[in-house]
Amino acid sequence: SQQGEEDPQALSIQEGENATMNCSYKTSINNLQWYRQNSGRGLVHLILIRSNEREKHSGRLRVTLDTSKKSSSLLITASRAADTASYFCATQRGAQKLVFGQGTRLTINP
Amino acid sequence: SAVISQKPSRDICQRGTSLTIQCQVDSQVTMMFWYRQQPGQSLTLIATANQGSEATYESGFVIDKFPISRPNLTFSTLTVSNMSPEDSSIYLCSVVTGGAEAFFGQGTRLTVV
Repeated sequence: SQQGEEDPQALSIQEGENATMNCSYKTSINNLQWYRQNSGRGLVHLILIRSNEREKHSGRLRVTLDTSKKSSSLLITASRAADTASYFCATQRGAQKLVFGQGTRLTINP
Repeated sequence: SAVISQKPSRDICQRGTSLTIQCQVDSQVTMMFWYRQQPGQSLTLIATANQGSEATYESGFVIDKFPISRPNLTFSTLTVSNMSPEDSSIYLCSVVTGGAEAFFGQGTRLTVV
């Protein structure tokens, strides 16, 4: 069963604005990861945050993790049209298997 | 990192037929994962394919419907058998590297008519 719940399901913003997506999960995890999917193609790994980390940055991406609330957020700053995609969180407990959230469909308007 | 070549990229198939999807990885990996993504939905794990042993299927997926082969550490196939329109989905293969991040093939977009 799907563990992660993401909100919002869809987000539409103007280019240059920041986009924030949230993810909640139900069980303990080793790490939480964020992926991007363009137009139903393969997923691209964006960032991984381990259960003992609270915040991580990569370029314009900032991820936070609150294990007490079992939630994570992905912030994309200074959005660009090329950021238009679906974004998924995925949790990993062990044995490499990932459980994906429902995803957020992000649209950046020029 | 890992590069995965998945084919076909898309296909339109008649109901009742079968389609075999292939994934080739550019490095040896212990486990390969097969996912289904139904239209507008997230990814659902079908099974984990280990070399030299039978695949491990998730709840709701059975070997008769989704037989998997894993003849070596760089290759795997997933067959979608006796297809119906409900099988129309994107199918993706994936591997996880030592760093815990996953790499995906480009997906196979299957339409059953």
